[in-house]
Amino acid sequence: DSGVTQTPKHLITATGQRVTLRCSPRSGDLSVYWYQQSLDQGLQFLIQYYNGEERAKGNILERFSAQQFPDLHSELNLSSLELGDSALYFCASSVGLGLAYETQYFGPGTRLLVL
Amino acid sequence: AQTVTQSQPEMSVQEAETVTLSCTYDTSESDYYLFWYKQPPSRQMILVIRQEAYKQQNATENRFSVNFQKAAKSFSLKISDSQLGDAAMYFCAYRRLNGGADGLTFGKGTHLIIQP
Repeated sequence: DSGVTQTPKHLITATGQRVTLRCSPRSGDLSVYWYQQSLDQGLQFLIQYYNGEERAKGNILERFSAQQFPDLHSELNLSSLELGDSALYFCASSVGLGLAYETQYFGPGTRLLVL
Repeated sequence: AQTVTQSQPEMSVQEAETVTLSCTYDTSESDYYLFWYKQPPSRQMILVIRQEAYKQQNATENRFSVNFQKAAKSFSLKISDSQLGDAAMYFCAYRRLNGGADGLTFGKGTHLIIQP
C-alpha cells in the first residue's frame, strides 16, 4: 500500500459525459501527478500540482482539467468523454516540489470505461 | 522531447535464473534520473530502482541492479535469482532534472514471465 488513495476504483460511463476522479496523496506529500495508461498510448504524464498550483503539463487534452485543493487532495475532471478516453488513470504523489529525485508513489488507479 | 524505448515486449526466465531487461532513451539533457517501475497484475506501480545520471556507480537494490551506460543512453535492469513474485510488467522511466517541472516519461514496458 503506497498511501495514495484514489476513488472510484472503477467507473463506467457513456460518450459525451463528464466524470471526476479523486486522489488523496500520502500524508505530508505536497505534489500530485496524474498519469493515463491506455493500450494505445501506454503510460502518459498528464499534469502535476504542487501545493495547490499547477506546476507542469504533459499530454493533457483540453477536455481534461485538474485541480488541487487546500487539503492537498486532487481531482481530475474529464469531459465530453470519447471511447478513446477509456484507460487506467493513476495519481501519484511526492514529498516536495516534485524535483526529479523525489520518489513518486502511485495510487491503485481508477479504471475508466467509456461506452 | 525525451523518448524511452523498451525493445523487448516480453521476456521469459526460469525461476532462480537471472534475466536482463533492456531500455534505451534519447535526451539532450546531461542531468536526469532513470527509474524502473514494476506493475504486477494488481496494476499498482511500484518503484524498483533508480539511477542518477551524474553517478557513475550502478544502482543496486537487493536482487535488482542496473547497468547504466550514459554515453550509449542505455539503462538495463538485471534481476538475479528470479522469483515467481517478480512476474509483472516492467517499465523504464526517465525524468529530467529541470527543477522538477515535468513528469515521468515511460517506455512501453516489458512483460516478464517467470517459469516455475
